[in-house]
Amino acid sequence: RKEVEQDPGPFNVPEGATVAFNCTYSNSASQSFFWYRQDCRKEPKLLMSVYSSGNEDGRFTAQLNRASQYISLLIRDSKLSDSATYLCVVNMGTGGFKTIFGAGTRLFVKA
Amino acid sequence: ETGVTQSPTHLIKTRGQQVTLRCSSQSGHNTVSWYQQALGQGPQFIFQYYREEENGRGNFPPRFSGLQFPNYSSELNVNALELDDSALYLCASSLTSGGGETQYFGPGTRLLVL
Repeated sequence: RKEVEQDPGPFNVPEGATVAFNCTYSNSASQSFFWYRQDCRKEPKLLMSVYSSGNEDGRFTAQLNRASQYISLLIRDSKLSDSATYLCVVNMGTGGFKTIFGAGTRLFVKA
Repeated sequence: ETGVTQSPTHLIKTRGQQVTLRCSSQSGHNTVSWYQQALGQGPQFIFQYYREEENGRGNFPPRFSGLQFPNYSSELNVNALELDDSALYLCASSLTSGGGETQYFGPGTRLLVL
């Protein structure tokens, strides 16, 4: 089992749609969680941090469920510019630092 | 822009050769992490350097090694290159080490091993 798993997609949605991504992680000692966005042939860019209390930034909402070991990202009112790969990231700081990225979920937003 | 820079941007090497990649961290950041990203995959954690010492390592063989300098810039060295080492190599800097720190990525170095 992979340490961080994401549905690879692709998700093909029309503009204005709401789309949700989930990510599961296997290590219960994981400390912090993030969503990054990566455009084709570019570096990953931080989208948002993820907290148990939830985190909202405009059209984006992220949530962490520690009991079930998954994190989610909700995108409302999708724009063409949201087309990218969304990477789920888990940090572990116990016994030496380690960051695990999911393989990413591809999103295509169509006009 | 994140302020993290990497050099070179592209590199072509042959199997068995050695390569050194460089990364300058964002001003004020004392921690650098290195990642390998193969086509269609997420970045894989190679190691992290915090205040010039290795602070964590992923599942990469010893021929992947690194350094961090007093100004917190860093190098990734790969010996005895293999074809599978062809990938995008990313470095990321953070304000300090620790599980909660946000990492900011440089543009990467594309390595092709022939």
